[in-house]
Amino acid sequence: GQQVMQIPQYQHVQEGEDFTTYCNSSTTLSNIQWYKQRPGGHPVFLIQLVKSGEVKKQKRLTFQFGEAKKNSSLHITATQTTDVGTYFCAGPASGTYKYIFGTGTRLKVLA
Amino acid sequence: DVKVTQSSRYLVKRTGEKVFLECVQDMDHENMFWYRQDPGLGLRLIYFSYDVKMKEKGDIPEGYSVSREKKERFSLILESASTNQTSMYLCASSLSLGLQRNTIYFGEGSWLTVV
Repeated sequence: GQQVMQIPQYQHVQEGEDFTTYCNSSTTLSNIQWYKQRPGGHPVFLIQLVKSGEVKKQKRLTFQFGEAKKNSSLHITATQTTDVGTYFCAGPASGTYKYIFGTGTRLKVLA
Repeated sequence: DVKVTQSSRYLVKRTGEKVFLECVQDMDHENMFWYRQDPGLGLRLIYFSYDVKMKEKGDIPEGYSVSREKKERFSLILESASTNQTSMYLCASSLSLGLQRNTIYFGEGSWLTVV
């Protein structure tokens, strides 16, 4: 079945450093979503990318969808302690409606 | 705001017990999901429902069943709980399958321990 892997699994950064997480799917995705889960909380939607090569920005966060629609990345510039949490990508395999989530990247920001 | 409510936040059950996890959404969403979350494995889809009485298996349906008799309610059933089903269970819903309406909203999660 479809697998969605994320790397790294964990990342510790000093506040102010940049951070990137990568998402790789075994199959082509029709679209990709990103979610953030704060410690002790539940995943919350951040953004959706649909087009091949699409890039979207939300303040310090930059999201990119790969040309082949099989990978994506989330880059955070100048991390803050409020960025702490686990970031998940999710997408349905082409032709299905089942949203498969990635393994997640847990970010810790040291003040 | 969309609200997805899971009936139990923390449960402890014995091996072999039948366990019901209830989930209700208040926004007339068509789709509902059950995921389980385990460290290092992310969120894994157990079952998905796109309409009343309709269901599809996710990646890990073994040992689970679901029920959707009303649009707003989606129940996850563990017929005979086992210790490897100790996990956090997340219920979720989305308005529809269309690209502009497929944001997934999660409940707070149910922590299940099987002893």
